[in-house]
Amino acid sequence: TQLLEQSPQFLSIQEGENLTVYCNSSSVFSSLQWYRQEPGEGPVLLVTVVTGGEVKKLKRLTFQFGDARKDSSLHITAAQPGDTGLYLCAGENAGNMLTFGGGTRLMVKP
Amino acid sequence: GAVVSQHPSWVICKSGTSVKIECRSLDFQATTMFWYRQFPKQSLMLMATSNEGSKATYEQGVEKDKFLINHASLTLSTLTVTSAHPEDSSFYICSAPPAEWSIDTQYFGPGTRLTVL
Repeated sequence: TQLLEQSPQFLSIQEGENLTVYCNSSSVFSSLQWYRQEPGEGPVLLVTVVTGGEVKKLKRLTFQFGDARKDSSLHITAAQPGDTGLYLCAGENAGNMLTFGGGTRLMVKP
Repeated sequence: GAVVSQHPSWVICKSGTSVKIECRSLDFQATTMFWYRQFPKQSLMLMATSNEGSKATYEQGVEKDKFLINHASLTLSTLTVTSAHPEDSSFYICSAPPAEWSIDTQYFGPGTRLTVL
């Protein structure tokens, strides 16, 4: 069974601060997806990283896939209240099965 | 941490047959469970919210008569794809928030890959 550990589980910060969310595993994934979910809605895919060492940017969000494709990070610069939500990482294996991390609940205070 | 299991992991069936997928919370009770579907290279799509002891709530565009959901206990929800067709082939995944937690936090099952021939 593949496991994906996501940290921190909860994060409360002030507007303007930077933060990083981590997803770590001992397993190799063919790709890794990051989602953001708001209450009452399904997760929304933010990005998929495929290549080891890959870095993708989405406005103030920077996603990185580890060189060995076992870990990933999400860095948010100058967080805003609109960034508040549940962030999920999910690793996809060769069989196209997804393993989700436990999620990081982010609250950005104005 | 909390664990959610799904069974089966893989299923291949002929067109026209029905397939039942189980979602179980193994070490916590879940009054609510969510069912999602994901097509290749696309995001998860919320299909329905399963509520223990009452009818499921379906998202717009999801046929409730085709995707039957039963949440008969606090640890089990089932999704039955009736008269499955090749276009129903997808990755189905459930999630559940522990009953005593905020609904914002969910634990995801490992998913079920359905292939309809």
